[in-house]
Amino acid sequence: ETGVTQSPTHLIKTRGQQVTLRCSSQSGHNTVSWYQQALGQGPQFIFQYYREEENGRGNFPPRFSGLQFPNYSSELNVNALELDDSALYLCASSFKKGGRAPDEQYFGPGTRLTVT
Amino acid sequence: AQSVTQPDIHITVSEGASLELRCNYSYGATPYLFWYVQSPGQGLQLLLKYFSGDTLVQGIKGFEAEFKRSQSSFNLRKPSVHWSDAAEYFCAVGALSSGSARQLTFGSGTQLTVLP
Repeated sequence: ETGVTQSPTHLIKTRGQQVTLRCSSQSGHNTVSWYQQALGQGPQFIFQYYREEENGRGNFPPRFSGLQFPNYSSELNVNALELDDSALYLCASSFKKGGRAPDEQYFGPGTRLTVT
Repeated sequence: AQSVTQPDIHITVSEGASLELRCNYSYGATPYLFWYVQSPGQGLQLLLKYFSGDTLVQGIKGFEAEFKRSQSSFNLRKPSVHWSDAAEYFCAVGALSSGSARQLTFGSGTQLTVLP
């Protein structure tokens, strides 16, 4: 069973540029969530994708956008990068079972983004 | 809105000593509670979760946590710490996001140092 993988591992961008981060879900999972983890902080929920549509969103501006593909892999796109976007970006995959309880999320190792 | 507080930013214990990491949550409904561990360069690994039932939950690596509704707490414990337990620990509550996604809201983490 292949776990969640993310690419690239590290990335350096300049303020104002655009970036795309990629995530491959764990085998059998149909849902992908993205989190931003600033230095010294806990992860913050950006959004979740299920059946190729955004399923929920945290308190992030529209310049954070995403895609989910038919094979359940996903991309996170950030436009007009700001210095505060420097963080570890974590992807988590899960299998959406329905019901009230959250599905168990499996996290990738993350992409470290530095904006200069 | 839900929130999680981890009052201890950094804890140091000696190998073999017992450990308790504190977590307090704020959530209006029945909480779904989690503890994750993050080692340097690694993603988050789920240690244990509480959804309902027995308030003492057993997890992996010898960890346990106790849900106390009256205190809005979900403290993590281990009777005897090993050097390999040195890592950052995050408490999280699962809740509905703006859509139908059940997002995780994390605390800011507790860094654990283990002395030989």
